[in-house]
Amino acid sequence: GAVVSQHPSWVICKSGTSVKIECRSLDFQATTMFWYRQFPKQSLMLMATSNEGSKATYEQGVEKDKFLINHASLTLSTLTVTSAHPEDSSFYICSARPGGTGETQYFGPGTRLLVL
Amino acid sequence: GDSVTQMEGPVTLSEEAFLTINCTYTATGYPSLFWYVQYPGEGLQLLLKATKADDKGSNKGFEATYRKETTSFHLEKGSVQVSDSAVYFCALKGQAGTALIFGKGTTLSVSS
Repeated sequence: GAVVSQHPSWVICKSGTSVKIECRSLDFQATTMFWYRQFPKQSLMLMATSNEGSKATYEQGVEKDKFLINHASLTLSTLTVTSAHPEDSSFYICSARPGGTGETQYFGPGTRLLVL
Repeated sequence: GDSVTQMEGPVTLSEEAFLTINCTYTATGYPSLFWYVQYPGEGLQLLLKATKADDKGSNKGFEATYRKETTSFHLEKGSVQVSDSAVYFCALKGQAGTALIFGKGTTLSVSS
């Protein structure tokens, strides 16, 4: 089946630094990728939707200058958390949707970010 | 706006017990409904889905029926196994939307 990987799976950083999280579709081309954030015991909250080669569409309340998303190729999207602060500590999950397959999204295993 | 409510966990069962995880939704029109499962250390996987009222999604012994009259999509399995231990998420995709809206997830723990 379709596989999506995320790297790193765990990251700890100091407050004020930037962190980049990669999301890769390993065996298919992803026309659309989604980035979610999950707090403990909470739902996955959609942060943004990105289509290859175009700017990401951010959900209301998500700071686009803080959470930079780049979907430069059909197999790679990156999320950069800029000037991270402790309140950015969370579990970040990406998903990828192949072109022409309707609703099916394939999820990565997630990246846990801890900002000290 | 659209939303999904699912029962709080954790749910702890013995092997071969009957499983129900409740899920209700709020949405305009006719959303598509999904159950995703997340095994430890892995990404979410689509378990089953239903796209219109009275549809029944099924996979790996799990079933859920799209009930528009009760706005529900409860997940059931007649006999759980230890390998079913995971977190289960109910989700919907609205008629006009492309994004999935998730419930909070329910942790299932099955012991032998």
